[in-house]
Amino acid sequence: NAGVTQTPKFRILKIGQSMTLQCTQDMNHNYMYWYRQDPGMGLKLIYYSVGAGITDKGEVPNGYNVSRSTTEDFPLRLELAAPSQTSVYFCASSHSYEQYFGPGTRLTVT
Amino acid sequence: QQPVQSPQAVILREGEDAVINCSSSKALYSVHWYRQKHGEAPVFLMILLKGGEQKGHEKISASFNEKKQQSSLYLTASQLSYSGTYFCGTEGSAGGTSYGKLTFGQGTILTVHP
Repeated sequence: NAGVTQTPKFRILKIGQSMTLQCTQDMNHNYMYWYRQDPGMGLKLIYYSVGAGITDKGEVPNGYNVSRSTTEDFPLRLELAAPSQTSVYFCASSHSYEQYFGPGTRLTVT
Repeated sequence: QQPVQSPQAVILREGEDAVINCSSSKALYSVHWYRQKHGEAPVFLMILLKGGEQKGHEKISASFNEKKQQSSLYLTASQLSYSGTYFCGTEGSAGGTSYGKLTFGQGTILTVHP
């Protein structure tokens, strides 16, 4: 099993550009999550999903959108990127309580 | 509200013990502990549930005081591999589980020297 995979690993965006961060898991987990981690800080939940077709907002959803059309994939869309969205983004999945994290995407908006 | 962790950082020599605390202002259903090494993803250590149940992978112990909304992680006979940042994640108690919708603390940096 590959676990949770994320692409790209690194990305630099200009202000106002848009992009999609990809997340795929091969463990058949129903629950999936998107977090952001700013330097020296904890993780903040952006969006989460309890199954295909069901998503809900987390703590910091503004400026982001998600979709969940399959169990495996949970992409995160950034519209009109802003410098405040510079962060490391982690995707995670879970069967019950243990969350398995992907390696992260380091995003810089300039 | 974000849980508060203390201390912010701790430095140990191999074999020494440490305690990391996590305190919340709201009633909790569960407390989760994760460790993150520099440049890597967080890794699950343990969950403590309301009612006393605990589940975890490693030989690390923890406690959960439901009345005080506090949890402590006990690292005994520390090893070099214990170095990293420890995060607690809390899940509110309203209606039971919130499907892992965690609020994480700011982290405690643990450094273990030989």
